[in-house]
This record gives sequence, structure tokens and C-alpha cells, in this order.
Amino acid sequence: GENVEQHPSTLSVQEGDSAVIKCTYSDSASNYFPWYKQELGKGPQLIIDSRSNVGEKKDQRIAVTLNKTAKHFSLHITETQPEDSAVYFCAASKDYGQNFVFGPGTRLSVLP
Amino acid sequence: KAGVTQTPRYLIKTRGQQVTLSCSPISGHRSVSWYQQTPGQGLQFLFEYFSETQRNKGNFPGRFSGRQFSNSRSEMNVSTLELGDSALYLCASGPQETQYFGPGTRLLVL
Repeated sequence: GENVEQHPSTLSVQEGDSAVIKCTYSDSASNYFPWYKQELGKGPQLIIDSRSNVGEKKDQRIAVTLNKTAKHFSLHITETQPEDSAVYFCAASKDYGQNFVFGPGTRLSVLP
Repeated sequence: KAGVTQTPRYLIKTRGQQVTLSCSPISGHRSVSWYQQTPGQGLQFLFEYFSETQRNKGNFPGRFSGRQFSNSRSEMNVSTLELGDSALYLCASGPQETQYFGPGTRLLVL
């Protein structure tokens, strides 16, 4: 079955710096890759996603890149702010309606 | 628009007991998915319901079951609780691309 790895497990950056979180997946049939942000005491919140036909997608300070050949995808956050501090999860799934396999998460701390 | 609500928010049970958790999706959403979140195993998919039918199922034992009602509200049940079932149980509402998660039910099994 699908296996998703995520690095780093923890990441501390200074406010204003960029943060990059990387994920790799094992199943070449996966074609949907969402990213979630989970704040303390809350459920995960979808922040951005990408599909296999899109190499890069950007939404304000957040961007995702996907390399299907290498089977890895990344989340880039620019101009980080303290409110970006949270646990971030990547996930992968094959088809619409199929269950996600999540990465283990990255705890991002943005230091003021 | 009201978000996903889950009840109860916290629950303490003992081994061998059973538990039922409830999820009310966002109005108009017909799909409800359930996830288990633990420090050791992370986020794991349990099952998904759509229009009262289980559409997809994760790799959990038969002690974990669920159902969905005609108003899209969903319940999940865990029978014969084990210590390892202690976790945050999350419900997500909506289609895959726009899933909204509830705050979860934190279950502690003693």
C-alpha cells in the first residue's frame, strides 16, 4: 500500500524566513496531494493541494511543488508569521473518493 | 455556515467497554469520513460514508464500525475497547478536495 514520509519532523524558523517541508510517497498511482495545517486543539485544515497534472501551485505565501518522477512533493511557506506555527501534514491518495494516507507531520515553530 | 461538530469532545472509558461518537457534518454535505489520530501512528483513515452507505474503509479491525443517517449525521462505534484505542477521533465533512475537519473527540481508555 501507499506509504508517505515527511521531513523534517520539527522545524524552527525566524519570523519572515521561509519554511520548506518535504514529502515522499511510494505508490506511483497516487495523483492527489493535499496539505493540512493543524493548530492546537483543532482538527486539520486544508490549506492547499496539488494534482499530478500540476507541477507547481501557489496561493499567496504558500506554494506546493510536485515531482511525479521522483515521487516527492513539497510545501513552501514564505515570509513566515507566528500564526503559521502549527503541525503540517501532507497526504496522498490515488483517486477521488479513495482514502488519504497521511505523512507523520511536521511541527513548525515561527520564532518572533 | 456552521462547521463540523463532534460530540462528546472528551471521553474516558475502561477496557472492554464500547463507545459511540457522533459527528454532524456541514449542512448540505453528504460525505463524512472518520480518522484516528495518535502520536505513534499519526492520522489514519477509518471509513467514509456517503448517502448512508459506506463507500471506503481503512485498515482497522471489525471492532470499529460506523453508520450514517438520512440527515447525513454519522456515528462511529468502537466495541471491546483496548488501551491502544486511546486517540483523537476526527470527523471530516465534504468531498475529498474540500474536506472540513471537526475538532475531534479525545478518547482515553483506562
